[in-house]
Amino acid sequence: DIQLTQSPSFLSASVGDRVTITCRASQGISSYLAWYQQKPGKAPKLLIYAASNLQSGVPSRFSGSGSGTEFTLTISSLQPEDFATYYCQQLNSYRITFGQGTRLEIK
Amino acid sequence: EVQLVESGGGLVQPGGSLRLSCAASGFTFSSYEMNWVRQAPGKGLEWLSYISSSGSAKYYADSVKGRFTISRDNAKNSLYLQMNSLRAEDTAVYYCARGGYCSGGRCDGTFGFDPWGQGTLVTFSS
Repeated sequence: DIQLTQSPSFLSASVGDRVTITCRASQGISSYLAWYQQKPGKAPKLLIYAASNLQSGVPSRFSGSGSGTEFTLTISSLQPEDFATYYCQQLNSYRITFGQGTRLEIK
Repeated sequence: EVQLVESGGGLVQPGGSLRLSCAASGFTFSSYEMNWVRQAPGKGLEWLSYISSSGSAKYYADSVKGRFTISRDNAKNSLYLQMNSLRAEDTAVYYCARGGYCSGGRCDGTFGFDPWGQGTLVTFSS
């Protein structure tokens, strides 16, 4: 199975900061990568699909980039509602896998 | 409104069985691939199983292969997960999630999972 490794696993930041989360795949996955946001007690929410495409309704401060084995999720200016856990997901094969998650907390 | 609603979770004993259901509404269910994902308490997301739009193709994670069976009833707009030989480590919130859209015999599963249901909790009694 394709392994996804997110870094960092924990991130402390302030409102207004620019933050970047990285997701590395154990083998090339083209652009078949999605990013999700999850808040406590809630289901995950799709933010980015196909590595760089913003899901409808998601604020433009979220952006994704990358292809092959290295991908990034960037939040350009953190808002209070952005403090959550973020997961990457590869859809290159039917044996789908997720990264271990990045917990973003308020500094 | 596009919506997925899971049901069927609850308290179960080790070695027991449970059947989860996911009711879909607001979209043409038979045109979409579907998935089950779980999340153990305080842990990350684990993909469990995939089913094609027609139900003819199914895939499983190694952790549940041979114990769990995914199925769907397109006439009832419903997805199911039959879970047998349950173990304590199967304790989790179980989510159903819509996958790729299929048209003209071709499916595109690269758009991610959207939406997800609210989840149903499976826990174990000692």
